[in-house]
Amino acid sequence: GESVGLHLPTLSVQEGDNSIINCAYSNSASDYFIWYKQESGKGPQFIIDIRSNMDKRQGQRVTVLLNKTVKHLSLQIAATQPGDSAVYFCAEWETSGSRLTFGEGTQLTVNP
Amino acid sequence: DAGITQSPRHKVTETGTPVTLRCHQTENHRYMYWYRQDPGHGLRLIHYSYGVKDTDKGEVSDGYSVSRSKTEDFLLTLESATSSQTSVYFCAISLTRVSGNTIYFGEGSWLTVV
Repeated sequence: GESVGLHLPTLSVQEGDNSIINCAYSNSASDYFIWYKQESGKGPQFIIDIRSNMDKRQGQRVTVLLNKTVKHLSLQIAATQPGDSAVYFCAEWETSGSRLTFGEGTQLTVNP
Repeated sequence: DAGITQSPRHKVTETGTPVTLRCHQTENHRYMYWYRQDPGHGLRLIHYSYGVKDTDKGEVSDGYSVSRSKTEDFLLTLESATSSQTSVYFCAISLTRVSGNTIYFGEGSWLTVV
């Protein structure tokens, strides 16, 4: 995950547009990645995951892309809705240390 | 919902007092975790448990202790709360603690130490 200090990166989109949220991970030994959604005042909610032997995985309205060469993940949300407004963050599993490391996230705001 | 209940959800306490947060799960998952979430730091692991009475430290364990007397319950105790422990605390569960296993979170406990 990426550390971005006290102020989260923000992404503002119009309702109905597609959203792309990015995450740079730090450990080339990480082999499993998870995207979480966290609404204000709530706990992180699992959205989608991907293993390192895959480049792409699709869910309902969401797609995760993995580029291991540059250690980059992206989460694509199709037809973004106001209910998608939340902080989204990625997490990486480091196999050798059995450790799950979380990024700080991106604040997605969907404008009606 | 992942079948995780945290209590209390909100608490204000004074510096130097003990505080216990409770996590209860209905999923019969072996692993349970306590994380704290702070601006600028993301989620950080405090302690985790891999079975009844089996616990281990995470990356920010100083000032915290845990206990697990039953599979479904995992307690986090701040022996003497300090202002630096003002945070949001999340309990989480997973079946295993290896890559490929998803961790599911509770709704959080907001703790303010004054």
